[in-house]
Amino acid sequence: QKEVEQNSGPLSVPEGAIASLNCTYSDRGSQSFFWYRQYSGKSPELIMFIYSNGDKEDGRFTAQLNKASQYVSLLIRDSQPSDSATYLCAVKVKSSASKIIFGSGTRLSIRP
Amino acid sequence: DVKVTQSSRYLVKRTGEKVFLECVQDMDHENMFWYRQDPGLGLRLIYFSYDVKMKEKGDIPEGYSVSREKKERFSLILESASTNQTSMYLCASTQLNTGELFFGEGSRLTVL
Repeated sequence: QKEVEQNSGPLSVPEGAIASLNCTYSDRGSQSFFWYRQYSGKSPELIMFIYSNGDKEDGRFTAQLNKASQYVSLLIRDSQPSDSATYLCAVKVKSSASKIIFGSGTRLSIRP
Repeated sequence: DVKVTQSSRYLVKRTGEKVFLECVQDMDHENMFWYRQDPGLGLRLIYFSYDVKMKEKGDIPEGYSVSREKKERFSLILESASTNQTSMYLCASTQLNTGELFFGEGSRLTVL
């Protein structure tokens, strides 16, 4: 079992709709969770982080964490063509103070 | 403006050559990381360092070594390059106890 798993997609969503991206992780003791966005040919950039169970909202983005189910999600409301990118889920594992590992990423395409 | 600089954007090497990939950050970050990114596999952690001269293996350390003699510089070394090490290599840094990774632009290595 991979430590961080994501559906590779592509996920195609119409403009203006809600895009839902999901991630599961295997290290039950993990405390910190991150969503990175990566445009084609560019490096990843952080868009959200979440540490506590529940929802965290930032503009059109909402991160959701359920530690009991070992599940993290990212919702993008009012999807725009500029949201088309690969979204990478990252987890800071408990076994190491610094180790951060990534899922394989979900490619999101927003169709006009 | 925060910056992580990787020494080479594109390299072409021959099988068996020794390869050095250099990374420098100007943010006084404690942690530095080397990932490789391959299509469909996301970012896989090779090595990371949490202090000068300190290093830990990531998930795929075989065939690689690292050096961190100064806080701002983290080098990835391929002792004897092989074709399966053809990949995009991404360096990143972060402050201690945070997960916001700042990435360099990447080094695309081709091993012939």
